[in-house]
Amino acid sequence: GENVEQHPSTLSVQEGDSAVIKCTYSDSASNYFPWYKQELGKGPQLIIDIRSNVGEKKDQRIAVTLNKTAKHFSLHITETQPEDSAVYFCAASRGSWGKLQFGAGTQVVVTP
Amino acid sequence: DVKVTQSSRYLVKRTGEKVFLECVQDMDHENMFWYRQDPGLGLRLIYFSYDVKMKEKGDIPEGYSVSREKKERFSLILESASTNQTSMYLCASSFGQGDGYTFGSGTRLTVV
Repeated sequence: GENVEQHPSTLSVQEGDSAVIKCTYSDSASNYFPWYKQELGKGPQLIIDIRSNVGEKKDQRIAVTLNKTAKHFSLHITETQPEDSAVYFCAASRGSWGKLQFGAGTQVVVTP
Repeated sequence: DVKVTQSSRYLVKRTGEKVFLECVQDMDHENMFWYRQDPGLGLRLIYFSYDVKMKEKGDIPEGYSVSREKKERFSLILESASTNQTSMYLCASSFGQGDGYTFGSGTRLTVV
């Protein structure tokens, strides 16, 4: 089955700097790659996703890139703000019943 | 605002008790999922359902069962709770294959 590895497990950045989280996946048939943000005491919330027919997608300060050949995808957060502090999860799916395989998560801390 | 609602935020149960975790979604989604979240392990799929009265095992189904009698409701059952089932439980739903999930806020279960 699919295996998703996520790095780093923790990331501390200064406010205004950029943050990058990287994930690799094992199943070459995976075609959907969402990213979730989980704030303290809440469930994960979808923040951006990308499908395998696209190499990059942006939404304001966040962007996701996908390299199908290398089977890795990354989340980029620019101009980080304290409210970006959260746990971020990557995930991958080959579309079978929408089952997502999640990475272990990255704790992002943005210090003012 | 669309929602996935989990009936309890916190639960404390005794070893050997039968435990019911309830999840309701109001989005007419076909697919529903139960995950457990543990530090360093990310989100692990317990069971999922792609239709009423249908259920499929996820990656860690042992010690759990589920029920989906109505489209909007998906229940997770711990037949005989054990201390190693102490965890955060997250319910999610999605419209179709390859769609992002909407998560509930989670139920933190402690088994003593």
